[in-house]
Amino acid sequence: GAGVSQSPSNKVTEKGKDVELRCDPISGHTALYWYRQSLGQGLEFLIYFQGNSAPDKSGLPSDRFSAERTGGSVSTLTIQRTQQEDSAVYLCASSLAGSSYEQYFGPGTRLTVT
Amino acid sequence: TQLLEQSPQFLSIQEGENLTVYCNSSSVFSSLQWYRQEPGEGPVLLVTVVTGGEVKKLKRLTFQFGDARKDSSLHITAAQPGDTGLYLCAGVGNNYGQNFVFGPGTRLSVLP
Repeated sequence: GAGVSQSPSNKVTEKGKDVELRCDPISGHTALYWYRQSLGQGLEFLIYFQGNSAPDKSGLPSDRFSAERTGGSVSTLTIQRTQQEDSAVYLCASSLAGSSYEQYFGPGTRLTVT
Repeated sequence: TQLLEQSPQFLSIQEGENLTVYCNSSSVFSSLQWYRQEPGEGPVLLVTVVTGGEVKKLKRLTFQFGDARKDSSLHITAAQPGDTGLYLCAGVGNNYGQNFVFGPGTRLSVLP
């Protein structure tokens, strides 16, 4: 069975441009998480979806960040007017449900803002 | 806000040595998970500990959850180069939504 996939794997963009990052979770996983990981650092929680709804958006760093999930499956993280401090690896994870179930992570999207 | 600290931040040892890394918090977690992350990949779950005082073994890795469920340790016996990676602990909280709080990680390098 396929794991969590993310695209693109690498993205280089100019400051001020918008970017969209995509996550395809494992089929049947109702919970989906987005994290940001700066070089050599731990994971910073961004947003959590249960189905198509996002009960917790508290981790989004600014209003330039938004995310949606459609059909209880694919999710898109959008960053508008990118800044250099947005450069990081963006990781997506899915699980059977929220709370304590195992999260399966994708390989991440490495975003570089020049 | 629930926060996790990990120590040491970096660890470089020779193959065959033993090591322990720590994960600490002032908050109580319902359970705690340990992940290992290799370069260019996402983290992979190693273990979940649920009960205070619980000890779990995974081959050469021994995980312990503190009695008060605020801290955990990971002990590796006879480390091998394949153990190299970033070890992350994640606390599973009691608040709906942001269920996972990750520590900053311990970067382990095992030299042959």
